[in-house]
Amino acid sequence: KAGVTQTPRYLIKTRGQQVTLSCSPISGHRSVSWYQQTPGQGLQFLFEYFSETQRNKGNFPGRFSGRQFSNSRSEMNVSTLELGDSALYLCASSLFSGVVETQYFGPGTRLLVL
Amino acid sequence: DQQVKQNSPSLSVQEGRISILNCDYTNSMFDYFLWYKKYPAEGPTFLISISSIKDKNEDGRFTVFLNKSAKHLSLHIVPSQPGDSAVYFCAASAQTQKLVFGQGTRLTINP
Repeated sequence: KAGVTQTPRYLIKTRGQQVTLSCSPISGHRSVSWYQQTPGQGLQFLFEYFSETQRNKGNFPGRFSGRQFSNSRSEMNVSTLELGDSALYLCASSLFSGVVETQYFGPGTRLLVL
Repeated sequence: DQQVKQNSPSLSVQEGRISILNCDYTNSMFDYFLWYKKYPAEGPTFLISISSIKDKNEDGRFTVFLNKSAKHLSLHIVPSQPGDSAVYFCAASAQTQKLVFGQGTRLTINP
């Protein structure tokens, strides 16, 4: 079974621009979560989508948004990029939402904001 | 407020010996705990998990111990191998898909 895939793997943007990242979960998985990893803050939860609905949200500003499609693929958007948004953005998938379950991560998209 | 803490940023162990990685948490609502291993430029790879109804879970060379009264869990790797060199994250959840991660411990296995 193919794992979680994320595109693009690397991205360079400038301040003020916006960016869209894509995540395809493991086949059959319906929950997709997004995390941001930075050297200073570690891995932090952004949000979770299940059946095209946002189920959980972390403590990030409204510039960070996401959506999920009917095929469970998810996109994350960051508008008005700031230098501090430079990070590794990780997507994780699991079968269900709201239950004790293991999440499986993709390789991540490394975003550099100049 | 750091709800999940890994107090050792790094650990160095000789090949063949036991590696013990520690993790403390503060939120008593956490009921599911996981360990992930991460290589540079890759996403975290799931290693092993434990539910709060258990105090031990074993999978090959990896064993996770949970002490709920102390709010502490540990990962034991026996025997340690060079390929185990990576950053290890513990994570916790409370009946949601929101994982709260520790800061990670960099494990180095020396030949």
